[in-house]
Amino acid sequence: LAKTTQPISMDSYEGQEVNITCSHNNIATNDYITWYQQFPSQGPRFIIQGYKTKVTNEVASLFIPADRKSSTLSLPRVSLSDTAVYYCLVGDRGGYSTLTFGKGTMLLVSP
Amino acid sequence: SAVISQKPSRDICQRGTSLTIQCQVDSQVTMMFWYRQQPGQSLTLIATANQGSEATYESGFVIDKFPISRPNLTFSTLTVSNMSPEDSSIYLCSVVGTLSSAGYTFGSGTRLTVV
Repeated sequence: LAKTTQPISMDSYEGQEVNITCSHNNIATNDYITWYQQFPSQGPRFIIQGYKTKVTNEVASLFIPADRKSSTLSLPRVSLSDTAVYYCLVGDRGGYSTLTFGKGTMLLVSP
Repeated sequence: SAVISQKPSRDICQRGTSLTIQCQVDSQVTMMFWYRQQPGQSLTLIATANQGSEATYESGFVIDKFPISRPNLTFSTLTVSNMSPEDSSIYLCSVVGTLSSAGYTFGSGTRLTVV
């Protein structure tokens, strides 16, 4: 399974755009990139998934360069409630392979 | 996406005892996964549970310590046996998303404290 590397922590202020980059140099051809968000005392929550280029949903955008060796989760105009741990994972789209979680990025949003 | 009900949400247990955690899904799923999250750490996969077959355990986890049942396509249990304080963690179950909803869905977790 491809290993991922993310910053351990990031700080931001309300209203700013936050970009969290994840490196996954050993990503396989059929691997997708998926991001999860975890609040304290809750299970991880799916945010966004992509294979290449750019994916956008109501919560975030995911930018994936052509070589797919990294990806960037972009959170527009963060609020205090976006304070959480964000995990980047690579692997099967969501079918039949297991998930390997890295250490994640602790995002702290301040007023 | 699937909705998972996990219980208990938390428990405090005496060392040497066992606790069974239940995970109920609102739809039929082939695979269910059990994770452990130790304090301040990331998630570690314990085992994969398929209905009708023995669970597949990851390295470092054994069936005698973490027996798993999967009696049908909507339910699974994880038992933490002969507990010690080192077993104090959050235990989470997870299922694969549906075809129209990518990713995996997680339960809210069971916070276990062993004293």
